[in-house]
Amino acid sequence: DIQLTQSPSFLSASVGDRVTITCRASQGISSFLAWYQQKPGKAPKLLIYAASSLQSGVPSRFSGGGSGTEFTLTISSLQPEDFATYYCQQLNSYPLTFGGGTKVEIK
Amino acid sequence: QVQLQESGPGLVKPSETLSLTCTVSAVSISGYYWSWIRQAPGKGLEWIGYIYYSGSTNYNPSLKSRVTISVDTSKNHFSLNLSSVTAADTAVYYCARVSGAGSGMDVWGQGTTVTVSS
Repeated sequence: DIQLTQSPSFLSASVGDRVTITCRASQGISSFLAWYQQKPGKAPKLLIYAASSLQSGVPSRFSGGGSGTEFTLTISSLQPEDFATYYCQQLNSYPLTFGGGTKVEIK
Repeated sequence: QVQLQESGPGLVKPSETLSLTCTVSAVSISGYYWSWIRQAPGKGLEWIGYIYYSGSTNYNPSLKSRVTISVDTSKNHFSLNLSSVTAADTAVYYCARVSGAGSGMDVWGQGTTVTVSS
């Protein structure tokens, strides 16, 4: 199985901050990586697919990058509604796997 | 817009079979891959498996011996059966649509909580 390691696991930031979350894969996954946002009690929401493609309807302050084994999710200017937990997911090979999550909280 | 709705018992006894259905609205189930994902309390996301509308499946090896996912195109829904459940299977269970090969899961159900307890 491909392991995904997210860092940091917890992040404290202020509104307006630029935030970057990293996801490292245990082996190369090309660009088959997605990012999700999950708020408490809600289902995950797809933000980024194919490592860097913005899902329709997602604000442009979210961006994704990377390929191979190292990927990033960047929020250019953190908004109050962005405080949530973020997960990466690899779709390169089965079983599909998720990272452990990064919780973004208000400083 | 496309909506997914999970349904099924919220309480299952140990050693019994957990059965859930995901009803798809506003789009045909044909032409897509459909997945089940679960999240234990306070934990991360775990992919259970997927089914294509044709009936082909792929399961997480960690659950493969206990999982069956099926599809009913006439009812536009797909289902999850997980046998021999234990307390470790207590989780929120989500169904989701896979938007395309390698493209992520773009539509999710709201999730249903299943507790395994006698």
